[in-house]
Amino acid sequence: DVVMTQSPLSLPVTLGQPASISCRSSQSLVYSDGNTYLNWFQQRPGQSPRRLIYKVSNRDSGVPDRFSGSGSVTDFTLKISRVETEDVGVYYCMQGTHWPRTFGQGTKVEIK
Amino acid sequence: EVQLLESGGGLVQPGGSLRLSCAASGFTFSSYAMTWVRQAPGKGLEWVSAIGVSSTTTYYADSVKGRFTISRDNSENTLYLQMNILRAEDTAVYYCVRGVSWPDFWGQGTLVTVSS
Repeated sequence: DVVMTQSPLSLPVTLGQPASISCRSSQSLVYSDGNTYLNWFQQRPGQSPRRLIYKVSNRDSGVPDRFSGSGSVTDFTLKISRVETEDVGVYYCMQGTHWPRTFGQGTKVEIK
Repeated sequence: EVQLLESGGGLVQPGGSLRLSCAASGFTFSSYAMTWVRQAPGKGLEWVSAIGVSSTTTYYADSVKGRFTISRDNSENTLYLQMNILRAEDTAVYYCVRGVSWPDFWGQGTLVTVSS
């Protein structure tokens, strides 16, 4: 199985400051169709997960532009340019290239 | 508006069975592969199973293979998860999710508790 490793697992951030989460996969996530199926999800306390970013860098409709995704092959990053109160929650990366699909362990973002 | 409404969760004894349902609306259900994801209390997300648009292809996590069966009824716009030989470690909120490679919409989840 593809292992997805996120770091850090806990991320205290000052309001208005940037935040960055790393996600590394144990195998290349480039699929035979040329796409890289690396997705990011946000789970706010008490809520279902919500997709933020799909295929590495495509931001979902309604997602603030302070969120951005980047990376390639096995190394990916989710960045928040200026953290706001509503960004508190757990962030997960997930690979959709190989079976079985796998998630990272999650990164808890909190306000300092 | 896309909606996914899970049901069927509850308390079951170890070794017991349960069938989860996910009623889909607001999109053409038969055009989308679907996924089940679970989350144990206080833990992270775990991918469980997926099914193709016509049910010919199904996939399972090793942790549930041979015990869980995913299925769908495109005429009823419903996704199912039959769970047999349940164990304490199957206790989790089970989410129905649209898509398999870049899944987008999630249901609100249904809680399954396996305990004697």
